[in-house]
Amino acid sequence: DSGVTQTPKHLITATGQRVTLRCSPRSGDLSVYWYQQSLDQGLQFLIQYYNGEERAKGNILERFSAQQFPDLHSELNLSSLELGDSALYFCASSVVAASGNTIYFGEGSWLTVV
Amino acid sequence: EDQVTQSPEALRLQEGESSSLNCSYTVSGLRGLFWYRQDPGKGPEFLFTLYSAGEEKEKERLKATLTKKESFLHITAPKPEDSATYLCAVPTLEGKSTFGDGTTLTVKP
Repeated sequence: DSGVTQTPKHLITATGQRVTLRCSPRSGDLSVYWYQQSLDQGLQFLIQYYNGEERAKGNILERFSAQQFPDLHSELNLSSLELGDSALYFCASSVVAASGNTIYFGEGSWLTVV
Repeated sequence: EDQVTQSPEALRLQEGESSSLNCSYTVSGLRGLFWYRQDPGKGPEFLFTLYSAGEEKEKERLKATLTKKESFLHITAPKPEDSATYLCAVPTLEGKSTFGDGTTLTVKP
């Protein structure tokens, strides 16, 4: 158990809908990361927050947004969902937002868009 | 832009047959290299961090080594429970990691 908690574990929704994925980082970690992993694809970095502020952005679609709240939990909002958005979405956390810091992953949220 | 390439894509071994996985990287400045293990449908599980060329770390049947251009994950006498996808990653200045596509290891009894 990494200590990173993600909810929901599984989610099935229809195209055009909007969903919110939630992440609680490990106790004491200030930085949160979101990654997407599609079938047969590697981990794609979406976005990073550090202590409530956006720190780095990857190939995140405009239909997706995220935020980190004062209690350090984070939410990833996916809207106008398309079939291609079906994937495993991982949240990860680290103590600080500095290179060399180990990133610990949650178990992921399986999103299926039908 | 940092790049990470892993080879082979897939590796099938007999139980007890030792081998190595490769991770080559191109980065503007090495700030460390991570190895993770990922089981199907699960989150990546942290294995090792290597910070400088020549460094080695071991955990049970796994040993990770680092040179200036690549890292190796050596698996000695693997068991079926070592079957998983092994990922390597390099961190950026901001702390996020760029991952390779992984090597899927299958160990047959």
